[in-house]
Amino acid sequence: GQQLNQSPQSMFIQEGEDVSMNCTSSSIFNTWLWYKQDPGEGPVLLIALYKAGELTSNGRLTAQFGITRKDSFLNISASIPSDVGIYFCAGQLGAGGTSYGKLTFGQGTILTVHP
Amino acid sequence: GAVVSQHPSWVICKSGTSVKIECRSLDFQATTMFWYRQFPKQSLMLMATSNEGSKATYEQGVEKDKFLINHASLTLSTLTVTSAHPEDSSFYICSAPGSTNEQFFGPGTRLTVL
Repeated sequence: GQQLNQSPQSMFIQEGEDVSMNCTSSSIFNTWLWYKQDPGEGPVLLIALYKAGELTSNGRLTAQFGITRKDSFLNISASIPSDVGIYFCAGQLGAGGTSYGKLTFGQGTILTVHP
Repeated sequence: GAVVSQHPSWVICKSGTSVKIECRSLDFQATTMFWYRQFPKQSLMLMATSNEGSKATYEQGVEKDKFLINHASLTLSTLTVTSAHPEDSSFYICSAPGSTNEQFFGPGTRLTVL
């Protein structure tokens, strides 16, 4: 089945540093989504990408949808302690077919920010 | 963004009992909802698709008789773990699609089976 490879698995950074993580897939997705999950809570949507090559920002977050629709990256600038958590990429197929709306998740990137 | 709630947030039960988890879309309607399971330090794995007014569709390897799903209305889906065993202990999370089909997740339900 489809798999998303997310890297790095974990990151330990100092407050104020920039962070970059990425996901690659063997299959094409119509939509790429980036989520953040805090311990004991559900994932919270950070950025949604709908078009190949799309570059989208949300505050200190920037994400891009690869031109081949098989990869995406997420950048966090000027990290702060509350950025700590697990970040997941997720791919979603388009309309039509039984897989519509289903998400395939990457393995997650655990981010630790030292004050 | 859209708000999805889950109840209960955590539950502890004895082995052999059944547990029902509710997922509600609070400010929007959802004809489809999704149920995921997450084990510690792992990613989310899709269990099934809940369809309002029709049967749920299950992912390969998920027992439909063990994980009963009912999508009774456009704002409510329930997951019942029947005859729960310790290996069913996990974090169960539901999601519902927003206006552009991005998925919004509930806060999750921590199930512990003794």
